[in-house]
Amino acid sequence: GAGVSQSPSNKVTEKGKDVELRCDPISGHTALYWYRQSLGQGLEFLIYFQGNSAPDKSGLPSDRFSAERTGGSVSTLTIQRTQQEDSAVYLCASSLEPSGGEQYFGPGTRLTVT
Amino acid sequence: SQQGEEDPQALSIQEGENATMNCSYKTSINNLQWYRQNSGRGLVHLILIRSNEREKHSGRLRVTLDTSKKSSSLLITASRAADTASYFCATDAGETSGSRLTFGEGTQLTVNP
Repeated sequence: GAGVSQSPSNKVTEKGKDVELRCDPISGHTALYWYRQSLGQGLEFLIYFQGNSAPDKSGLPSDRFSAERTGGSVSTLTIQRTQQEDSAVYLCASSLEPSGGEQYFGPGTRLTVT
Repeated sequence: SQQGEEDPQALSIQEGENATMNCSYKTSINNLQWYRQNSGRGLVHLILIRSNEREKHSGRLRVTLDTSKKSSSLLITASRAADTASYFCATDAGETSGSRLTFGEGTQLTVNP
């Protein structure tokens, strides 16, 4: 079966522009996570969706970041007025268990803000 | 800030040798997981050990967990060049963490042929 997919795989944008990153989780997985990974660093949690519950947005670094998950499946992470420090790999993961289980990661979107 | 801290940050060994990576964490956990990442892209889940378990095996992988010391180790036996990757530990602290995993900074393992 298909794994987690993300698009685009690479995105170069100018400072100040808005970007949208997309994640298609594994079918049937109710939990979806977004992480950010800066060069040579570990993963930083951004946001978590579980079913129809209100998302856990506690990891979003600023109000320029937002995410939604439509129909309990596809998710979009939006970064408004991008800054150079937003440059990173953005990773999406989904999980069958509602919390604490094995997470399946997508290949990531490498965002470069010039 | 990251809860998990791996050491060493980088490890270089010869093919056939064993590789040991350590992870320490600060809060109580439900489980601890190890992931592998190639070339800075998606992570692959390796093994999950629950807080009431002390040791777990999967193929050439052996994970230990010491909750009294808040530490875990990942042992890769008979390493291969294909094991070259970054390895991350991640902790699930249950309800207090809001169902997220907290990742460490990772250990970069290089296995020389």
